[in-house]
Amino acid sequence: QVQLQESGPGLVKPSGTLSLTCAVSGGSISSSNWWSWVRQPPGKGLEWIGEIYHSGTTNYNPSLKSRLTISVDKSKNQFSLKLSSVTAADTAVYYCARVDNSGLDFNYWGQGTLVTVSS
Amino acid sequence: QSALTQPASVSGSPGQSITISCIGTNSDVGSYNLVSWYQQHSGKAPKLMIYEGTKRPSGVSNRFSGSKSGNTASLTISGLQAEDEAEYYCCSYAGSSYVFGTGTKVTVL
Repeated sequence: QVQLQESGPGLVKPSGTLSLTCAVSGGSISSSNWWSWVRQPPGKGLEWIGEIYHSGTTNYNPSLKSRLTISVDKSKNQFSLKLSSVTAADTAVYYCARVDNSGLDFNYWGQGTLVTVSS
Repeated sequence: QSALTQPASVSGSPGQSITISCIGTNSDVGSYNLVSWYQQHSGKAPKLMIYEGTKRPSGVSNRFSGSKSGNTASLTISGLQAEDEAEYYCCSYAGSSYVFGTGTKVTVL
């Protein structure tokens, strides 16, 4: 059973960089799956952030692309998110998820981690 | 890349059936048979309920079913139960990206 676990600072200052890591267990990050980040502002809906393949190929949400970097570390079986120039609007629960390679759905999710942007 | 449109809320009595619509465009729902549906209870991670528009993952009750016509996907919950009360989101592949729906709060009366 694949499990995902997000980790990173829960508080980031405005204009700073939000950095999160997703550790994958029970499966290899080098499998034929994409690995995604999804966020949810408090009381609001889900927003797809971006995804990465183990080769390092990425796809980003166009609205975040200029501030976003997603990377993979195959040696540690994990992938990471960096979002720069954050504002209060980036306050959200951030989820990592595995994308099924045929249905292109999010079939495994982390528990989520709340990141608050505040001084 | 605008969010897919869902009704804000839908309600029904136990045992009834309800349907949640998910309206997209020719760039997402209408172009791909890759709509998925997620159930999210308060404070929890989303759970996959339907994939590829109509398929149920192992372990998901057959009371949940999905369909699609044109740019609109739908989720039907039959035999509504108290445990079905949650937020539901649709999601569509949109060509190297994904777009989620606005979310629907399902209330069991």
